[in-house]
Amino acid sequence: AQSVTQLDSHVSVSEGTPVLLRCNYSSSYSPSLFWYVQHPNKGLQLLLKYTSAATLVKGINGFEAEFKKSETSFHLTKPSAHMSDAAEYFCVVSVGMDTGRRALTFGSGTRLQVQP
Amino acid sequence: GAVVSQHPSRVICKSGTSVKIECRSLDFQATTMFWYRQFPKKSLMLMATSNEGSKATYEQGVEKDKFLINHASLTLSTLTVTSAHPEDSSFYICSARVPSGGLLTYEQYFGPGTRLTVT
Repeated sequence: AQSVTQLDSHVSVSEGTPVLLRCNYSSSYSPSLFWYVQHPNKGLQLLLKYTSAATLVKGINGFEAEFKKSETSFHLTKPSAHMSDAAEYFCVVSVGMDTGRRALTFGSGTRLQVQP
Repeated sequence: GAVVSQHPSRVICKSGTSVKIECRSLDFQATTMFWYRQFPKKSLMLMATSNEGSKATYEQGVEKDKFLINHASLTLSTLTVTSAHPEDSSFYICSARVPSGGLLTYEQYFGPGTRLTVT
């Protein structure tokens, strides 16, 4: 079985300061991990994905995440928050070599608030 | 990237009626689509896997007679909520699976979602 735990349901940062959204996973096999963002009344957008290549993954809009097997973590970071980053973020896992073939298992989500 | 659309984006219906939600892959063919449900301030929960030309696979606890899924073509999957009740009010999201270049590697593209309100 696989699962994802997002450690913070809500994170608030000031514009221009770093962002850290935490995610831990549990999987019996080598996982593929994703971060998706959901803006209000909009569809889910893929930020980045890890699929057993480089452990430091760079995504869109300046986000990146590091896969740490020893810590079973896949935290999402950004050096400097922008107002437009305010949204709901989901850490997602898919198990097996056939990445994405199966449905995805979503974390509970972290709402990022960016203060001016 | 691949685009997935859903129609309608919002629907309000009366209790006891049925509602059909469409999920279309606009510029690619999708043999597999997934239907998710998202409750307010909650995560997405998989409801079923829709395979073109065959019966959908439902997750445990999802009533297949209530949530009818039809994947009659490579670009269209439909979810029909039959005899809807207020507790069926939710945000329904579909995704389509696309090969992403690597061996046995796929990517999922999500539709914008459909907000169903049952009064």
